[in-house]
Amino acid sequence: DQQVKQNSPSLSVQEGRISILNCDYTNSMFDYFLWYKKYPAEGPTFLISISSIKDKNEDGRFTVFLNKSAKHLSLHIVPSQPGDSAVYFCAASAGGNYQLIWGAGTKLIIKP
Amino acid sequence: KAGVTQTPRYLIKTRGQQVTLSCSPISGHRSVSWYQQTPGQGLQFLFEYFSETQRNKGNFPGRFSGRQFSNSRSEMNVSTLELGDSALYLCASSSDPGAWEKLFFGSGTQLSVL
Repeated sequence: DQQVKQNSPSLSVQEGRISILNCDYTNSMFDYFLWYKKYPAEGPTFLISISSIKDKNEDGRFTVFLNKSAKHLSLHIVPSQPGDSAVYFCAASAGGNYQLIWGAGTKLIIKP
Repeated sequence: KAGVTQTPRYLIKTRGQQVTLSCSPISGHRSVSWYQQTPGQGLQFLFEYFSETQRNKGNFPGRFSGRQFSNSRSEMNVSTLELGDSALYLCASSSDPGAWEKLFFGSGTQLSVL
């Protein structure tokens, strides 16, 4: 049973436009959510996070939105740049349980 | 500051064999966690160690085991390898458990079981 789902395996976006990556979760105990970015042949790196007490968090070109009632979060990248081409993972944790539950990832391709 | 180092980078084994993977965390990091990544499945949590103690374990069979040494280096072992164990195994380190924003990953060990 996948508790964190990224239903789009890949997404192609024109350079300069907005990229929107989606993530759904089923466990209502999740209270902290993170996005990681992974380039080929490298490990994932932390990108941005959001606590369940917020509905939005911004960091430069990256914004994460959380809709608790829908158990849905999204990552917006504006404007999209070629260097943003990577696999993006959504991950969630539940309180003091020191375990991250990961989605399957979405491969973002930025077209010039 | 050196990053997380995983060895070997690639490994080919046959069914029934066992394998040991190594992870050297960032200097000063005491928490090490292991993940299995397979296509379409994302990262599956294997286990986490902090100060030589296993703090958390994922839902994997007992063939998967690990340990952490006093210098924080960690190893994971898979015995009686199965074809389905073919995956990228990632190690991550952080200063403390649950410090997700400061979780640093190695490049992984790509294991192929034939």
